[in-house]
Amino acid sequence: LAKTTQPISMDSYEGQEVNITCSHNNIATNDYITWYQQFPSQGPRFIIQGYKTKVTNEVASLFIPADRKSSTLSLPRVSLSDTAVYYCLVGSWYSSASKIIFGSGTRLSIRP
Amino acid sequence: EAGVTQFPSHSVIEKGQTVTLRCDPISGHDNLYWYRRVMGKEIKFLLHFVKESKQDESGMPNNRFLAERTGGTYSTLKVQPAELEDSGVYFCASSYPGSSYNEQFFGPGTRLTVL
Repeated sequence: LAKTTQPISMDSYEGQEVNITCSHNNIATNDYITWYQQFPSQGPRFIIQGYKTKVTNEVASLFIPADRKSSTLSLPRVSLSDTAVYYCLVGSWYSSASKIIFGSGTRLSIRP
Repeated sequence: EAGVTQFPSHSVIEKGQTVTLRCDPISGHDNLYWYRRVMGKEIKFLLHFVKESKQDESGMPNNRFLAERTGGTYSTLKVQPAELEDSGVYFCASSYPGSSYNEQFFGPGTRLTVL
């Protein structure tokens, strides 16, 4: 199982760029890195997924260094609605879903 | 496109009773998963269906839990008899056939309270 470590909480202000880093030292060769967002009383929502280098979509960017032992989720110009818990997940395309570990996540609070 | 739906949104039962949770995945999603978060803990995997077959049920806590997916469409998760430690939020998720196990679409969850 690829365990991940991420900050328990982060605070920022509207309009700022927020970077959340996740450590996954024992990531396996076939593992992908995926980030989910969860609002209170809702299920987690897929944000972005990557294998190496950089991935960008309309919501966020994901930076993965060459050794893949960490990754950084970047949220550009956050707003109050980005206040949520963010989960970093590591797992293999071909592995069992039971090996996908949610962890505690990072509670991001955005202030006006 | 309708998302994953779960019913009921909230259930309060007494210890020893039976409860059945239902999940309707996104149409066309062969993969269906059940997760749960007990109070103060992390979201934990329970089991994974591919169509009507159980692909992985290694996360099911004990034989009081029974999941079914007859016909490969909606799924039910029955807890019988319910215990206090079963209280928590039960999430269902679905994904496309052959998609990465990480790209899952989650429902809003069912909050189960066992008194």
